[in-house]
Amino acid sequence: QQQVKQSPQSLIVQKGGISIINCAYENTAFDYFPWYQQFPGKGPALLIAIRPDVSEKKEGRFTISFNKSAKQFSLHIMDSQPGDSATYFCAASGSNYQLIWGAGTKLIIKP
Amino acid sequence: DADVTQTPRNRITKTGKRIMLECSQTKGHDRMYWYRQDPGLGLRLIYYSFDVKDINKGEISDGYSVSRQAQAKFSLSLESAIPNQTALYFCATAGKGLEGTDTQYFGPGTRLTVL
Repeated sequence: QQQVKQSPQSLIVQKGGISIINCAYENTAFDYFPWYQQFPGKGPALLIAIRPDVSEKKEGRFTISFNKSAKQFSLHIMDSQPGDSATYFCAASGSNYQLIWGAGTKLIIKP
Repeated sequence: DADVTQTPRNRITKTGKRIMLECSQTKGHDRMYWYRQDPGLGLRLIYYSFDVKDINKGEISDGYSVSRQAQAKFSLSLESAIPNQTALYFCATAGKGLEGTDTQYFGPGTRLTVL
């Protein structure tokens, strides 16, 4: 019940295209769903996060879509740019402040 | 200066040696975490601390120990290193902020190789 399953493991998108990464969770007590972005040689950094009281959150080119009934959430990157090439992690947590992490998606944006 | 610093950044050691990884933060956060990252496995929690007197085991604490010397300092020790502890280790802090109470801020990581 603690797992967060992330797909795909790797993704190649052309510049200007839409990148989509999906995550699924099992624990219905989770109430916070962040996405982190990690560049090589750096620690992960918060990109965008959502709570289950809304179905979508948008920040610039990045959008989280959240489906509570399906227990799924996804990250959409519009107009993907080479600078978006990084590893992306989804995560989930409940009231104990412990993040449960997906396995990560390595995104490559081809110029 | 970075808000979360880790030392050393790289370390190569031999099986059986004792190793300490250190983490310091200037964010004034109460919560601190140690993770290890392995390719294809994401981030796995080793230990976490909600304040100096509150230390808890995470998902993969076997073979590791921690010390919270002060609010700003949290160190991770491998008492007797083994090759399958070769990984990238991250320290993170979290506290109340404009972004919400759950944002974790990561250090730059320590790459540990156990031969």
